[in-house]
Parts: sequence; structure tokens; C-alpha cells
Amino acid sequence: KAGVTQTPRYLIKTRGQQVTLSCSPISGHRSVSWYQQTPGQGLQFLFEYFSETQRNKGNFPGRFSGRQFSNSRSEMNVSTLELGDSALYLCASSLRLAGSEQYFGPGTRLTVT
Amino acid sequence: TQLLEQSPQFLSIQEGENLTVYCNSSSVFSSLQWYRQEPGEGPVLLVTVVTGGEVKKLKRLTFQFGDARKDSSLHITAAQPGDTGLYLCAAPNSGYALNFGKGTSLLVTP
Repeated sequence: KAGVTQTPRYLIKTRGQQVTLSCSPISGHRSVSWYQQTPGQGLQFLFEYFSETQRNKGNFPGRFSGRQFSNSRSEMNVSTLELGDSALYLCASSLRLAGSEQYFGPGTRLTVT
Repeated sequence: TQLLEQSPQFLSIQEGENLTVYCNSSSVFSSLQWYRQEPGEGPVLLVTVVTGGEVKKLKRLTFQFGDARKDSSLHITAAQPGDTGLYLCAAPNSGYALNFGKGTSLLVTP
């Protein structure tokens, strides 16, 4: 069974721009979660989608948003990028809601200059 | 949001040594997961522990869940360079999202 895929793997953007990241979950998984990982803060939960509905949201500003499509694929969007948004963005899928075991993709490394 | 504290933050050892890393909280966990993350990759699930006092073994890795379900440990016997990585513990919070500790970065040198 194919794993979680994320595109692109690397991205460089300028402050003020917006970015969209994509995630394809493991086949049959209906829950997709997004995390931000930085050296200082570690892995922080952004939000979770289950059957196209946002079920949980972490403590991030409204510039961070996402959506899930009927085929469970998910996108995450960050608007008005700030330098502090530079991070590894990880997508994870699971059979059930986000508190259950997560299967992570390789991540998208975003650098904001 | 329950805080998961992992220690030590960094660990550098030689091949063949034994080590233990810890994950602690002031809250009671319903369950706890351990992940390993290698550079440039996403975390990979190693094990889930659910019952207080539970011990699970995965080859040379031994995971223990505290009796009160507030702490957990990971013991590696005869570490190998392939064990190098970031070890993360994670637990569901009341909102059903996963909270992660900041991890223990392990380096095993030949």
C-alpha cells in the first residue's frame, strides 16, 4: 500500500506571498492532519480533516487554513507568509480521528525569505 | 493541553551501548505513542502503549508505560548507527488531536 505523499518537497517563498501544500493520504484513510515542525517548538498540531470536515484546530492564526476533498486528499494554505512560518510541514493520515496512530508523509520544507 | 516533557534532549553514544529516554507529563494519558524520525523524513510510528504497567518489545527496543499512565520510557539495548534519529512521544489530548513532546535526538556512532 502506498504511503502518504506530499508535494512539493521543498519550497522557497518571499514574505507576504501565499503558499499551498498538498497531501495524499494512504488509501482508505479518511483522517488527514497537518503539523508544523520547527527546531524550537517541535511538532505542533495545525488542524485535522475527516470526511471533508475540519474536526480539530490547533492554536495557529487564521492565515493557516486547509481543506479536504472527497477523495480524502488535502491541501493546506498559508497566506501573507512571515519569516517565522519557515518550517517542515508534515501531513499525516489515519483510519480514525487524529488521536489515533498517525502515518506521516515526508513533509514539505518551506523557507520564507 | 497536556505538556509532554522528554529527556534527555540530546544523546550521543557509541555503538553497542544501552540507553533510556523518557517521556513525562503531569496528566494521565489514555494512551501513548512513540515515533522515530530520521533526517529529511516524517515520523514513523514505533509502538502504542495503552495499559498502565504495559511493556512492549520491538527487537532491541523496549517500551514501558508507567503504572499511573503519566510517564513512559524507551530503552534501547546495544544501540546501532541505524537507531540514530529523533525519538518522539505523543498522546491524544481532550480534543482528540495528538500532542507531541519535543523529542530526544539520538546519535549512535560506530
